[in-house]
Amino acid sequence: EVQLVESGGGLVQPGGSLRLSCAASGFTFSSYAMHWVRQAPGKGLEYVSAISSNGGSTYYANSVKGRFTISRDSSKNTLYLQMGSLRAEDMAVYYCARELAVGATKGHLDYWGQGTLVTVSS
Amino acid sequence: QSALTQPASVSGSPGQSITISCTGTSSDVGSYDLVSWYQQHPGKAPKLLIYDVSNRPSGVSNRFSGSKSGSTASLTISGLQAEDEADYYCSSYTSSSTSWVFGGGTKLTVL
Repeated sequence: EVQLVESGGGLVQPGGSLRLSCAASGFTFSSYAMHWVRQAPGKGLEYVSAISSNGGSTYYANSVKGRFTISRDSSKNTLYLQMGSLRAEDMAVYYCARELAVGATKGHLDYWGQGTLVTVSS
Repeated sequence: QSALTQPASVSGSPGQSITISCTGTSSDVGSYDLVSWYQQHPGKAPKLLIYDVSNRPSGVSNRFSGSKSGSTASLTISGLQAEDEADYYCSSYTSSSTSWVFGGGTKLTVL
């Protein structure tokens, strides 16, 4: 069974940093691109970032470019999102999600975690 | 990058069909067939319904179908059921940020 479990969310002050993790199981992690998507309370989905299956390509929404860094560790079957210079508008539930097809990076997300809440407030 | 444009809400009666539109630009929907549709029930993670404009993942009901014309993609739900009441989001690759973008979401009410 495919499982994605996010962790690392919490309360952080504006300007601060936080690292999110997503532990993957039930599939060959190194074969799939992975993504981060966020959702502010009561709002819609917003795309954040993606990383290809081999980690060689990364993608970022303009809103987080230069502040967030996506990475993966296939030895630990874990996806990361290093977030810096956090702003109030970054406050959201952050979901990690798996790409649908092996080897592809097309933005088709077939498995999602339960999400982790990031709160940015002083 | 700007979100794709979806109607805020649509409604229909059980058994009817509804269509949700998703309007983009030549930088996204108009130039790429990398359009997905997701269903999200309150408090739940999204579920993939359609990928590559019109393909359904295994296990998704054939009551859900997708299409595209120009810069507008559409999701049609036929034979509406009470459990279809949810929020629906479209997504597309966009060259404006070499990333992806979601629509603002559409709340479907089954009357």
